[in-house]
Amino acid sequence: AQKVTQAQTEISVVEKEDVTLDCVYETRDTTYYLFWYKQPPSGELVFLIRRNSFDEQNEISGRYSWNFQKSTSSFNFTITASQVVDSAVYFCALSEARGATNKLIFGTGTLLAVQP
Amino acid sequence: DAGVIQSPRHEVTEMGQEVTLRCKPISGHNSLFWYRQTMMRGLELLIYFNNNVPIDDSGMPEDRFSAKMPNASFSTLKIQPSEPRDSAVYFCASSKTGASNYGYTFGSGTRLTVV
Repeated sequence: AQKVTQAQTEISVVEKEDVTLDCVYETRDTTYYLFWYKQPPSGELVFLIRRNSFDEQNEISGRYSWNFQKSTSSFNFTITASQVVDSAVYFCALSEARGATNKLIFGTGTLLAVQP
Repeated sequence: DAGVIQSPRHEVTEMGQEVTLRCKPISGHNSLFWYRQTMMRGLELLIYFNNNVPIDDSGMPEDRFSAKMPNASFSTLKIQPSEPRDSAVYFCASSKTGASNYGYTFGSGTRLTVV
């Protein structure tokens, strides 16, 4: 069965610090997709990134970067030079590619608090 | 594109009443998902549809919950009778799935309070 573990429940940093959010996943499939979503205090779920299991290249988008390592089943998310606006709950999620329907399973989320 | 539209945004109801949550997915998306978010249980997948057909409802907590998707542009999640423990934020999401997974778009959610 598929599972996503975000061991860090809460992280508090001071503005401009770098912070890494950990994500470990379990799946039996060789083809799957990994996602990160941001949920700010307003409550909506904002898509950040999608990665398929065949693409292990790390990705950088501005201050955000993602490190995908299949050998350790991890898909970690780093925010460089954090800002107060980064304060939110961040969810890692997994979707197994089984035919035409792919359900998305979430981790428990990590609450990031960035202090000014 | 208007995105995934959920209504109402907020619902307050008394225990025992019927509650109906609504969702309009993105046009062209063939999969629809209902999630519930609580502090205790996080984001739980309740049920999902593919091409309007329910595929997996194993996440539906009990018989009081039911979901329908009569056509490609509309889905409902009904709770009858509602109980205080049903208080949560309910999200609807849609996706275009098939040979690849193009990602999921979530609605703004319905915050349900049962008193």
